[in-house]
Amino acid sequence: NAGVMQNPRHLVRRRGQEARLRCSPMKGHSHVYWYRQLPEEGLKFMVYLQKENIIDESGMPKERFSAEFPKEGPSILRIQQVVRGDSAAYFCASSPPIQGGNEQYFGPGTRLTVT
Amino acid sequence: AQSVAQPEDQVNVAEGNPLTVKCTYSVSGNPYLFWYVQYPNRGLQFLLKYITGDNLVKGSYGFEAEFNKSQTSFHLKKPSALVSDSALYFCAVRADTGRRALTFGSGTRLQVQP
Repeated sequence: NAGVMQNPRHLVRRRGQEARLRCSPMKGHSHVYWYRQLPEEGLKFMVYLQKENIIDESGMPKERFSAEFPKEGPSILRIQQVVRGDSAAYFCASSPPIQGGNEQYFGPGTRLTVT
Repeated sequence: AQSVAQPEDQVNVAEGNPLTVKCTYSVSGNPYLFWYVQYPNRGLQFLLKYITGDNLVKGSYGFEAEFNKSQTSFHLKKPSALVSDSALYFCAVRADTGRRALTFGSGTRLQVQP
């Protein structure tokens, strides 16, 4: 059973460009979470999605950031007009649909560098 | 609001000695508590969790954690440390109801010396 897949693993963008980060959850998982990790810090929650629905986007910046999880295909985190402060590691996690204290399984992350 | 505190930025221990990585939490309602480990340039790996039941939880690689409700703590322990345990450890919490997003501590770097 393949784990959570993220691509690209490393992404370099110039200020003002767009960044698209992809996440494929584990097989059988329909819940996807995005977190951001700044250097030497813990992970901060951004958004929680189920197929075709955004459930909780309370951690997402109001501007330039968006996320989707379509019926088919991976979840996408999109950052428009990137700035240097967007440089971070972005982790995707997934969990099964069963309610309860399920742990979240994390992907290897995408390291975004804005130059 | 929920929060996690990991009071030690780094813990140093000699190989073969017991280790403890501290975590305290704050949450409205009953807590679900998790420990994850992160190796350099890697994602987080799940170690163990407390949902309900026995206060002592056993997890992967010989790690265990003790849930203490009165002290709102969930310290990670291992009886005998290995050099390969050296990594960054994160404690996380969420309430048993409501939001499913995890709140993480700032992490503790464990350094095991040979």
